[in-house]
Amino acid sequence: GAGVSQSPSNKVTEKGKDVELRCDPISGHTALYWYRQSLGQGLEFLIYFQGNSAPDKSGLPSDRFSAERTGGSVSTLTIQRTQQEDSAVYLCASSFDRGPGNTIYFGEGSWLTVV
Amino acid sequence: DQQVKQNSPSLSVQEGRISILNCDYTNSMFDYFLWYKKYPAEGPTFLISISSIKDKNEDGRFTVFLNKSAKHLSLHIVPSQPGDSAVYFCAATPFGDKLIFGTGTRLQVFP
Repeated sequence: GAGVSQSPSNKVTEKGKDVELRCDPISGHTALYWYRQSLGQGLEFLIYFQGNSAPDKSGLPSDRFSAERTGGSVSTLTIQRTQQEDSAVYLCASSFDRGPGNTIYFGEGSWLTVV
Repeated sequence: DQQVKQNSPSLSVQEGRISILNCDYTNSMFDYFLWYKKYPAEGPTFLISISSIKDKNEDGRFTVFLNKSAKHLSLHIVPSQPGDSAVYFCAATPFGDKLIFGTGTRLQVFP
């Protein structure tokens, strides 16, 4: 497909379990972002990858969260020992490059529910 | 510290009228501003943007105004249509770094 693809689209997990969320950015896009939106909240920045540079992890809420981007393309966001407050929609986005005018395009999100 | 603020969580406008969505920011390093629109169960989609060197950008029914001295921007939709009903997010970026989003304003356009 031509857009940002995320999987799974929905995930229900038990508290304490680990989850992995996957993002396939638009082909050729060097910048990749993870955001999350909790119920009734805005879009919260989590992590940002740009090319081969070290990722900006400043938005990760705790050390239970980690992300990697293999080969400059696919990214995986991992949440260890999930908690109920981790329930949110996790949005991945990508852009062609860094810089003004480079619109970022979002996927449809992975809806995570921790029970 | 909320660097991008949308103080109105919701707005209701009659079809055909103007919708004005507001956004304030605190970081003077922001130099590029964007508006995204989000329907339920979908990812946000880009709507319109403006560079800090401009004070207005227009695209069809959508116009974004930037007041740098007040650190304020607004999105005008005219005429408003029922299909415009969605959550609108304001976002800002310093020198093309990561986007910082506001908390969103839910717009409802009624007939």
